[in-house]
Amino acid sequence: QSALTQPRSVSGSPGQSVTISCTGTSSDVGGYNYVSWYQQHPGKAPKLMIYDVSKRPSGVPDRFSGSKSGNTASLTISGLQAEDEADYYCCSYAGSYTLVFGTGTKVTVL
Amino acid sequence: QVQLVQSGAEVKKPGASVKVSCKASGYTFTSYGISWVRQAPGQGLEWMGWISAYNGNTNYAQKLQGRVTMTTDTSTSTAYMELRSLRSDDTAVYYCARALTTPDYWGQGTLVTVSS
Repeated sequence: QSALTQPRSVSGSPGQSVTISCTGTSSDVGGYNYVSWYQQHPGKAPKLMIYDVSKRPSGVPDRFSGSKSGNTASLTISGLQAEDEADYYCCSYAGSYTLVFGTGTKVTVL
Repeated sequence: QVQLVQSGAEVKKPGASVKVSCKASGYTFTSYGISWVRQAPGQGLEWMGWISAYNGNTNYAQKLQGRVTMTTDTSTSTAYMELRSLRSDDTAVYYCARALTTPDYWGQGTLVTVSS
């Protein structure tokens, strides 16, 4: 199972929007609506930000939104804030009780 | 509140085995599975496998088949991950997380260092 493809890094100024893509195949991202996104600050455990493609857990700001088209999922952070600077990973169910993560994207707030 | 608390850091020699524990609280343990995920230094997240806390069914990542075993003890709401024949590239932080399709709550991580 190959990792999902994400850009290595994205950046934006405070208040701007950034979008992170996550490209897989019809066997994972394209085949199931079980795409989730995680935020990870250095030395910390991943934190769930989006699940089931576009749902937000309680407590996650509505600045974070998710979507999917075909084999590519996307995470958009609107109104970028300094505390959003972190690594972000997408994750997809890939059938037969398997999971696959993305390669990870570093978000930098300029 | 849901919590997953993992065992402490380990240092092992190449060829040895390590067993990491993950104690769950704040929910009905047998209602969710446990996924195990690892992260090598400076690298991304890698899914290792999953165990159903309901019936003990497991599924492991292909690259770890034969070296990893995941178990649960429902009497103590604890999940375990054992990795054998350790190599230097097994050095990583190992996480347990609740559920498979959407790992929602995560443990704090356990650093396993493999060094001679």
